Amino acid sequence: DVKVTQSSRYLVKRTGEKVFLECVQDMDHENMFWYRQDPGLGLRLIYFSYDVKMKEKGDIPEGYSVSREKKERFSLILESASTNQTSMYLCASSLRAGQFFGPGTRLTVL
Amino acid sequence: DAKTTQPTSMDCAEGRAANLPCNHSTISGNEYVYWYRQIHSQGPQYIIHGLKNNETNEMASLIITEDRKSSTLILPHATLRDTAVYYCIVPRSFQKLVFGTGTRLLVSP
Repeated sequence: DVKVTQSSRYLVKRTGEKVFLECVQDMDHENMFWYRQDPGLGLRLIYFSYDVKMKEKGDIPEGYSVSREKKERFSLILESASTNQTSMYLCASSLRAGQFFGPGTRLTVL
Repeated sequence: DAKTTQPTSMDCAEGRAANLPCNHSTISGNEYVYWYRQIHSQGPQYIIHGLKNNETNEMASLIITEDRKSSTLILPHATLRDTAVYYCIVPRSFQKLVFGTGTRLLVSP
């Protein structure tokens, strides 16, 4: 089975802090994704990567950056966390059809 | 993504078949239909996908109409653990999925 893991299930940070969310997949997938999920808005794509060191903006990239130095790891960075970035963050990976999701990180920015 | 329309919520009795409809009337000829579900407090889970033929796997069956403008996800024997939000997605870009609000399925004893 594909396993996608995220570094934390719950995270609390303060406004202005730099935040790193880590995602690791163990199936040698080329594509990896970061989403955020908010009530009433569904999942929204922040960034995705289709290869090492390659990245593309999703629908809501503002305030975020990403890093993909190794195939199995895709990091989401909040350069200066703000309260409107309080959300559930979901990482996914895929090879072809079907994305496989991690358990999510619930981030609260105070 | 091609726009999809799903009912907001549905109920199903445990052990019965759950049939979840989805309209995607603007789908193009080479676009696939994907289904995911999200159980409370978990990440979304891939269920099944198809192009024009009906598909079946260990989780569900997918029935796509001949004109491809709608599809139905079938859970043949729903259990309480199938209570979740079910998303029907027709992505325009390869691997870029846009999740709408889905159908909240409640399976009751």
